Amino acid sequence: DQQVKQNSPSLSVQEGRISILNCDYTNSMFDYFLWYKKYPAEGPTFLISISSIKDKNEDGRFTVFLNKSAKHLSLHIVPSQPGDSAVYFCAASGYGSSNTGKLIFGQGTTLQVKP
Amino acid sequence: NAGVTQTPKFRILKIGQSMTLQCTQDMNHNYMYWYRQDPGMGLKLIYYSVGAGITDKGEVPNGYNVSRSTTEDFPLRLELAAPSQTSVYFCASTHPEGQINYGYTFGSGTRLTVV
Repeated sequence: DQQVKQNSPSLSVQEGRISILNCDYTNSMFDYFLWYKKYPAEGPTFLISISSIKDKNEDGRFTVFLNKSAKHLSLHIVPSQPGDSAVYFCAASGYGSSNTGKLIFGQGTTLQVKP
Repeated sequence: NAGVTQTPKFRILKIGQSMTLQCTQDMNHNYMYWYRQDPGMGLKLIYYSVGAGITDKGEVPNGYNVSRSTTEDFPLRLELAAPSQTSVYFCASTHPEGQINYGYTFGSGTRLTVV
């Protein structure tokens, strides 16, 4: 059972436009969510996170939105740049009293930003 | 600042052989993890550790073993390699207090092929 799903395997956008990457989850007990970016032949790198008590978190060109009622989060990149071309993973975790930091990852979305 | 170091970067094993994937971190992180990534799939948790001397199974532990004798090192042992273990393996670490705001630090991965 896939608890975190990224239903779009790929996305292509023009440089300067907005990129919107989507992620759905099934477990309402998840406490926080993260986005990671991965270039080929490298490990994923942390991009941005959001706690379940918030509905928005912003860091420069990157904004994550959380809709708890829909169990949906999205990552907006504005403006998109060619260097943003990578695979993006969303991930979710519980925190609280059983905190072990374990993450459940989605399948990833490959973003291509065209110059 | 080395971060998380994984060795080797590439390895080809024959069916039935064994090997150890090495992982070391220099950030004094308590939490460490091993994930595997198969093509088109997200990262699946193999084993994790919340501190020296403490390890626990993740989602896909069969065929693997780990140990955590020091804070820095978290080796992953493959016994009797099978073609199903062909994958890219990532080691990651984080600090309990920083896991939400800073996420994991990943190593660059080990690409393993079992033939």
